[in-house]
Amino acid sequence: DTGVSQNPRHKITKRGQNVTFRCDPISEHNRLYWYRQTLGQGPEFLTYFQNEAQLEKSRLLSDRFSAERPKGSFSTLEIQRTEQGDSAMYLCASSLTLGGVDTFGSGTRLTVV
Amino acid sequence: DAKTTQPPSMDCAEGRAANLPCNHSTISGNEYVYWYRQIHSQGPQYIIHGLKNNETNEMASLIITEDRKSSTLILPHATLRDTAVYYCIVRVGNAGNMLTFGGGTRLMVKP
Repeated sequence: DTGVSQNPRHKITKRGQNVTFRCDPISEHNRLYWYRQTLGQGPEFLTYFQNEAQLEKSRLLSDRFSAERPKGSFSTLEIQRTEQGDSAMYLCASSLTLGGVDTFGSGTRLTVV
Repeated sequence: DAKTTQPPSMDCAEGRAANLPCNHSTISGNEYVYWYRQIHSQGPQYIIHGLKNNETNEMASLIITEDRKSSTLILPHATLRDTAVYYCIVRVGNAGNMLTFGGGTRLMVKP
């Protein structure tokens, strides 16, 4: 097991375009989290899944942000109509519901130009 | 989750112990103290966590005061590779819900 994998590592997009990021969690982990981190700040929670169920999405920054985990394995985070303010590192983490600790991926760095 | 307060930055000499403090005066009885660190351009890395007893693992020791209002993360022999931002986080339960990160402490280990 190579840990939590995020793709792509870097994404440059033009303002107004849609982008999608993928996260592959550790295989036996049933919880999956998305965070956003802007320069000089700590990560900010966005949403999480337990298996395929999205249990918290009120922290998603706007209705342009959406996330899915269709089969309870990998997850995608989509940002529609990107804005320059969306430029940030997007981090994924996974854990077991009981007794586990959160393992983070290396993140996807988004730059909106 | 309770709020934490950490110094924004600290220096430590290579080979010496690094003691990183954290205040969490509003911590509740069911909240754990977690420590993560983030090396530049990487995702946060779990270090250690505890409820009320002191904890030690291969990376660090966690000392929690008896009233649980503060804690100290100890890196016994800091190396240059320990240079990172260290986050102290309190959260309900032993894993399972989200982490709320503050600003953390930027530790600089110097030769």
